[in-house]
Amino acid sequence: NAGVTQTPKFQVLKTGQSMTLQCAQDMNHNSMYWYRQDPGMGLRLIYYSASEGTTDKGEVPNGYNVSRLNKREFSLRLESAAPSQTSVYFCASSWGGAGELFFGEGSRLTVL
Amino acid sequence: AQSVTQLDSQVPVFEEAPVELRCNYSSSVSVYLFWYVQYPNQGLQLLLKYLSGSTLVESINGFEAEFNKSQTSFHLRKPSVHISDTAEYFCAAWGNGGATNKLIFGTGTLLAVQP
Repeated sequence: NAGVTQTPKFQVLKTGQSMTLQCAQDMNHNSMYWYRQDPGMGLRLIYYSASEGTTDKGEVPNGYNVSRLNKREFSLRLESAAPSQTSVYFCASSWGGAGELFFGEGSRLTVL
Repeated sequence: AQSVTQLDSQVPVFEEAPVELRCNYSSSVSVYLFWYVQYPNQGLQLLLKYLSGSTLVESINGFEAEFNKSQTSFHLRKPSVHISDTAEYFCAAWGNGGATNKLIFGTGTLLAVQP
């Protein structure tokens, strides 16, 4: 089983460029999430989708947009990348409620 | 504010020694509590969870955590660590109220096991 798959795994951008991080899960989960991980700051929620057709802001949504394309896929878009968005991005999914999250392997993004 | 606190950013320990990684949660979060482990260059994996019932929960690889409501703590322990336990450990709790759809993470503790 693939679980949660993220692409790309690595990306280098120049300031102002745009890009989309893709995430897909094959567990038929209802909820999907995007986190960013920075040294000393743990994981911070960017956006989440509690169910297909809905999206909501998390703790640090500025500079990002998301699309819940269908139940399987949840993409994260950076419209105009900034050096402050250099980070490791994790996608996760869950059944919803208070259950565990299942994480992808991460996408390491560097903005120059 | 709803928060999860891991006071120790790094815990060095010798192999076969016991270890405790501390986690405290604010009284405003839910009591659905988790420990995740992250090995180098990998995603997070669930180590153990407390949802209800017995306050002592165990993982398959010898870790255990105890839910302590009066101290708002969920510390992680292992009686004898191995080199392979070297990783970053994150404590997390589901939010309450307007944050019920948010899993709130602590800042992580790096467990560095030395031979």
